[in-house]
Order: sequence, then C-alpha cells, then structure tokens
Amino acid sequence: GAVVSQHPSWVICKSGTSVKIECRSLDFQATTMFWYRQFPKQSLMLMATSNEGSKATYEQGVEKDKFLINHASLTLSTLTVTSAHPEDSSFYICSATDRADGTVYGYTFGSGTRLTVV
Amino acid sequence: AQKITQTQPGMFVQEKEAVTLDCTYDTSDQSYGLFWYKQPSSGEMIFLIYQGSYDEQNATEGRYSLNFQKARKSANLVISASQLGDSAMYFCAMREGLGGGYNKLIFGAGTRLAVHP
Repeated sequence: GAVVSQHPSWVICKSGTSVKIECRSLDFQATTMFWYRQFPKQSLMLMATSNEGSKATYEQGVEKDKFLINHASLTLSTLTVTSAHPEDSSFYICSATDRADGTVYGYTFGSGTRLTVV
Repeated sequence: AQKITQTQPGMFVQEKEAVTLDCTYDTSDQSYGLFWYKQPSSGEMIFLIYQGSYDEQNATEGRYSLNFQKARKSANLVISASQLGDSAMYFCAMREGLGGGYNKLIFGAGTRLAVHP
C-alpha cells in the first residue's frame, strides 16, 4: 500500500533556529499534501494544503512566513519552521493523496515529527 | 463551514465488551465522507473505517462498525469485543466532497479509550 516517509521522527532545536521536516511518498505520486499540527492531548489542526508546483494554501491563523511549505515535486513536500520558539514545540504530521488512488479513502499519513524547541 | 464534534474526552471499557464512541458533524454539503482514525501513543494515524454520505448501509470493518444516522448527523464508531491493544486516541474526521483525497480532512477533538483487563 501507499507509504509516506516523514523525517525526522523527532528533533530538538535551539530557539531562533530553523527546522525542516520532510515528507516523501515512496510508491506513489503525492499530488496534494496536507500538514497538520497536534499539541499534546489535542486534535490535529490543519495548517496548510499544498499541491505540487503551486503555493500552499494556509488555514486562517497560520503564519505563512513562519511555516514555509514547499511541494516542488510529486514525491516530496517540506515544512520549515523558521526562527523556532518554544511555543512552536508540537507534533507535526503530514498526509498525502495520490492522483491515481481510485478509492474514496485517499489519505496516507506520515509517522509524524515531534519538535521540541529549547 | 464543516465541523466535527466528539463530546467524550475519555472512555473506559472492559476487555471483550463493546464500546461506542460518539461523533456528530455539521456540513452544508450533500456529498461528504466520514472517517475514523486510531492514534496510539506512537503518534501514527491508523485508518479504521469510512462512510460516504450516500452509503445506505453502515460501514463495517472487522470489529469496527460505523453507526451512521444521517438525519441526526451522527457517525458513531462501535468497537466490538474490545482488546487491550485498542487503548488509544480515536478521531472522527470529515471531508466535504466524495472523490479521492483532494479535499481537506477536518478532525474532531478525539476520544481517549482505555481498555481494562
């Protein structure tokens, strides 16, 4: 079945630095990628939707300049947290969809990245 | 705007018994899809079951069934014969539109299920 590889699984960074999270579709073309953020014991909040080759669409309240999303190829999307601060510490998870997927399910999730900013 | 409500922050169930996790939704679309996911402590999202808005029969997948009541806008998950490994967070989610996965998936607040031996 479809697999999305998300790296790193966890990362600790210093306040003020930038962190890049990658989501790579291993056996399908990810035409659309969704990025979610999850605080402890809370739900997944959609941050943005990206389609290959075009600019991401951000949800209301999400800072575009802080959370940079790049979806330059059909197999790779990246989320860069710029100038990270402790309040950016969270669990980030991506979800990809496959143009060729004829099912109604369509969503394949990465394993998530736990970001801690110190 | 679409909205998913899960009113049970936590649920307890005895092993081998059945449990129902509640989910209500709100949408102005006639076409939509409803999903349930399981999230263990590792954080991965495990797809459990799907119900389309035009599906007349309730979806079933092994021990999971979805009690779909369209008029009441509810999509409750029923887990039969609970197992210790079912202890996890459970999320109800909705997508407006039916085709593929091009539309965003919106999640409810989640219900933490604990299965006791």
